[in-house]
Amino acid sequence: NAGVTQTPKFQVLKTGQSMTLQCAQDMNHEYMSWYRQDPGMGLRLIHYSVGAGITDQGEVPNGYNVSRSTTEDFPLRLLSAAPSQTSVYFCASSYMSRHEQYFGPGTRLTVT
Amino acid sequence: AQSVSQHNHHVILSEAASLELGCNYSYGGTVNLFWYVQYPGQHLQLLLKYFSGDPLVKGIKGFEAEFIKSKFSFNLRKPSVQWSDTAEYFCAVIPGDNDMRFGAGTRLTVKP
Repeated sequence: NAGVTQTPKFQVLKTGQSMTLQCAQDMNHEYMSWYRQDPGMGLRLIHYSVGAGITDQGEVPNGYNVSRSTTEDFPLRLLSAAPSQTSVYFCASSYMSRHEQYFGPGTRLTVT
Repeated sequence: AQSVSQHNHHVILSEAASLELGCNYSYGGTVNLFWYVQYPGQHLQLLLKYFSGDPLVKGIKGFEAEFIKSKFSFNLRKPSVQWSDTAEYFCAVIPGDNDMRFGAGTRLTVKP
């Protein structure tokens, strides 16, 4: 099992550009989520999904969009990048909600 | 606002010293509790979890944690730390049917 994979590992964007962060898991997990990690703030939930076709907002959803067309994939789209979105982004999955999550290796995003 | 608090931002210990990292949460009702570790440059890995039963839970690498319901606490302990324990440690809580909430993290530096 590859577990949770994320691409790219690093990305630099200019303000206003859009991009998609990819996330995939091969554990047949129903629950998937996206977090951003900022120094001194821990991880904050952006969006989550409890199954294919179902997504919902987390704590900090503004400026981000998600979709879940398959169980395996959960891409995160930045609609118009802003410097405040400079962060490390982690995707995670779990068998179901309320269970431990397995994290991907992260994407370090810099917006200039 | 309801939250997860990790009061120690940075802890510095010598090898073989004992470790205790505090975690308090402010959610009532049923909670699932977790400790994750993030080694430098790596993704989060699960150290241990508590759902129900014995409030003293043992995890990987000699770590343990104690759930004290009356104190809303889930402190992490290790009797003797090693240089390889240098990492950032995150407490996480799933309150009720909600999503996982993280503390801000505690950075542990172990001096050889």
